[in-house]
Amino acid sequence: GQNIDQPTEMTATEGAIVQINCTYQTSGFNGLFWYQQHAGEAPTFLSYNVLDGLEEKGRFSSFLSRSKGYSYLLLKELQMKDSASYLCAVRVIISSGSARQLTFGSGTQLTVLP
Amino acid sequence: DARVTQTPRHKVTEMGQEVTMRCQPILGHNTVFWYRQTMMQGLELLAYFRNRAPLDDSGMPKDRFSAEMPDATLATLKIQPSEPRDSAVYFCASGSGRLADYEQYFGPGTRLTVT
Repeated sequence: GQNIDQPTEMTATEGAIVQINCTYQTSGFNGLFWYQQHAGEAPTFLSYNVLDGLEEKGRFSSFLSRSKGYSYLLLKELQMKDSASYLCAVRVIISSGSARQLTFGSGTQLTVLP
Repeated sequence: DARVTQTPRHKVTEMGQEVTMRCQPILGHNTVFWYRQTMMQGLELLAYFRNRAPLDDSGMPKDRFSAEMPDATLATLKIQPSEPRDSAVYFCASGSGRLADYEQYFGPGTRLTVT
């Protein structure tokens, strides 16, 4: 199976930078995803990493180190609307490369304070 | 504005009753996922389909759950009989081709309460 760990809660101030870490242990790794979920709403896709390195997308960046089983999501210039749960998810190949499974972490609840 | 739609948005039912949830994927998307989210377990993949064929339903309890795609515009998730532990938000998501491997669009969810 897969084991995904991320902090339960984080707090940061508007305008600041916050880094949300995610560690995973899995076999057949085939990609790592970050999703944002506001309370009572559906998750929305933020980023995807399958190779080592940093992917930047506006105020959000995601980093992956496959050898360390580690990723982080970096949020810059925090805004109040960034208060949400951030879900790390790992995809693995489950059989003969014919199907893939997405396993989500429990999420990090980020609170942005004024 | 293309979106995944799900019906019903809320469902309250008694234990033992059959529950059917429906999902209309974004037009043109050929991959459909069913997820369940609870406070205790988080977001779990139940099943997913590509071109209407089930590719993985290993996350779904087979004795009471079933998922189908009668046609390309409709996916269904059925629970029979329902139990209180099935209470959760059920999300459907869709994607297109290989892009679906990394970008999924979620519907608003069906909040199911089984009493």
